[in-house]
Amino acid sequence: QSVLTQPPSVSGAPGQRVTISCAGSSSNIGAGYDVHWYQQLPGTAPKLLIYDNNNRPSGVPDRFSGSKSGTSASLAISGLHTEDEADYYCQSYDSSLSGSIFGGGTKLTVL
Amino acid sequence: QLQLQESGPGLVKPSETLSLTCTVSGGSMNSNAYYWGWIRLPPGKGLEWIGTLFYTGGTHYNPSLRSRVTISVDTSKRQFSLKLSSVTAADTAVYYCARSTVTSYFDPWGQGTLVTVSS
Repeated sequence: QSVLTQPPSVSGAPGQRVTISCAGSSSNIGAGYDVHWYQQLPGTAPKLLIYDNNNRPSGVPDRFSGSKSGTSASLAISGLHTEDEADYYCQSYDSSLSGSIFGGGTKLTVL
Repeated sequence: QLQLQESGPGLVKPSETLSLTCTVSGGSMNSNAYYWGWIRLPPGKGLEWIGTLFYTGGTHYNPSLRSRVTISVDTSKRQFSLKLSSVTAADTAVYYCARSTVTSYFDPWGQGTLVTVSS
């Protein structure tokens, strides 16, 4: 069981907006540690999508955005494209574990 | 552009030691700004952080794996390595190496290598 909790799946139609939640606790997100998001397309390695809560690496479209509040974080994807179908993972640092932690992953289906 | 590449056996017998190497190209490992890490993805499950290493050799391990894991570095070869002892079928996974920042995000990642534990 992952320390960070994500919904197993979300879905949306092309052009719609979806959000993926990432619930943590007082020893990780709630302690002020940054949240990062990764996109894993089928058969490929995870790719950094959002870092330090709400920053996009160069080349990531502004359709992707991140936010953080309290002990949770969210990834929003607007204007869904079929190529956005992938697994999405959140990640942070946990002071109790003294190390990195990941969410269980969310599979996005674009209907 | 920094690139990472995992290498090692794709099949390991139960109770033996899994050994993988990550080769870094296109950049230096000797930086105070970065760490080097291993992450795995078991089939049907989520990503799991294994451990992280600083170029001077300091390490941090996932407590659930700490008793079985060793991560080491050879900066002269631009490589860092993972050893996981006493493996079982539960250690079957795609293993990734990646560079990590102080705030802990991983970027870039290697392409990953599948390691199957089976007799």
